[in-house]
Amino acid sequence: GAVVSQHPSRVICKSGTSVKIECRSLDFQATTMFWYRQFPKQSLMLMATSNEGSKATYEQGVEKDKFLINHASLTLSTLTVTSAHPEDSSFYICSARAQGAGGPGTGELFFGEGSRLTVL
Amino acid sequence: KQEVTQIPAALSVPEGENLVLNCSFTDSAIYNLQWFRQDPGKGLTSLLLIQSSQREQTSGRLNASLDKSSGRSTLYIAASQPGDSATYLCAVSGGSYIPTFGRGTSLIVHP
Repeated sequence: GAVVSQHPSRVICKSGTSVKIECRSLDFQATTMFWYRQFPKQSLMLMATSNEGSKATYEQGVEKDKFLINHASLTLSTLTVTSAHPEDSSFYICSARAQGAGGPGTGELFFGEGSRLTVL
Repeated sequence: KQEVTQIPAALSVPEGENLVLNCSFTDSAIYNLQWFRQDPGKGLTSLLLIQSSQREQTSGRLNASLDKSSGRSTLYIAASQPGDSATYLCAVSGGSYIPTFGRGTSLIVHP
């Protein structure tokens, strides 16, 4: 199947610093990528939908100035957690949708391996 | 707004049993439904994708069915093994192209 690479897998940072997480689709072009946050033993919480070449669409309650998303190419989206605080510690996962026969929204979703962020 | 429910929330079975995991959704206007597994501390691995025009998909010991009219999908796992222990999630994609996830079924298969 298609591969989505997410980097770094783990990051520990001091409070107040910024952290960038990359999500790459390695063997397909992804016009749309999704960023999720997952708390322990909880399901995925959608943070934003990232569309190549345009601004991301954030879910209600997600601070767009706190979680900067850039989707500069068809294979790369980045999430930057700005001025991180301990409450931002979480597991962040990206996904990319391969284009399906029925149109851009009908293809299979592929996920990265996730990034564990710990803010001290 | 689409809502996805997965039953049961947790399941613990002995090795060798055939399992049924259920996923129901409220809006039948979907493009596809996808089943994933997630191991602790990992991302999601795609298991099966069912397009709205399809009734079922099979891969090895896994079989997923889709009944759009009743808003249900079922994942069958035949002859379960300890390696099948994981959380299983279903995701439904509709007109917004944004997938809606259920809360998952946590499966433990003990030897």
